[in-house]
Amino acid sequence: QVQLVQSGAEVKRPGASVKVSCKASGYTFTSYYIHWVRQAPGQGLEWMGLINPSVGSTTYAQKLQGRVTMTRDTSTSTVSMELSSLRYDDTAVYYCARSMLIGAWFDPWGQGTLVTVSP
Amino acid sequence: SYELTQPLSVSVALGQTARITCGGNNIGSKKVHWYQQKPGQAPVVVIYTDNKRPSGVAERFSGSNSGNTATLTISRAQAGDEADYYCQLWDGSHYVFGTGTLVTVL
Repeated sequence: QVQLVQSGAEVKRPGASVKVSCKASGYTFTSYYIHWVRQAPGQGLEWMGLINPSVGSTTYAQKLQGRVTMTRDTSTSTVSMELSSLRYDDTAVYYCARSMLIGAWFDPWGQGTLVTVSP
Repeated sequence: SYELTQPLSVSVALGQTARITCGGNNIGSKKVHWYQQKPGQAPVVVIYTDNKRPSGVAERFSGSNSGNTATLTISRAQAGDEADYYCQLWDGSHYVFGTGTLVTVL
């Protein structure tokens, strides 16, 4: 079955960077876009950006431009999201999710990775 | 940037109909998707492209989209429908999520 499995929880200091991975299985990795969505505690969903695993091209949310980097490794069917210069308000659960086309819905989603920014 | 507005909460009696709105400028010209999120879980799509229902989602879930409002309708509401619901669309350059609606079944 189609699955997206994410790496484990992280605790980081302000100013540090964090890298979260998302391993895909059960489908052709290069045929679907991967998105990153985050959710701060008690808050709504925020789209962070997408990567086309076939060619590695990316589109990032304007708010995160310059701090977020998405990469892929086709040999392991894994997408990674790195967020730099962490701030306290980056504390959130980070999800990866799949879509067939840009504009299409996300299905499925990964299980989520909690990133805590703490002194 | 494009904004999507949802009511903070909607209450519905068991077995009755809940309607969750998603307001946006000329949203009827865009494709809207809806997600259900239960506490501690990842979101799950319940309606895609305005009114299409994924396999495995109950027929009680339906969607519509016209003018400046998209609507998710839950018929014959059940206790298991209690969750947060989010609308979502692609505005041409970014994905946007609605503010989210908590549905409570009384």
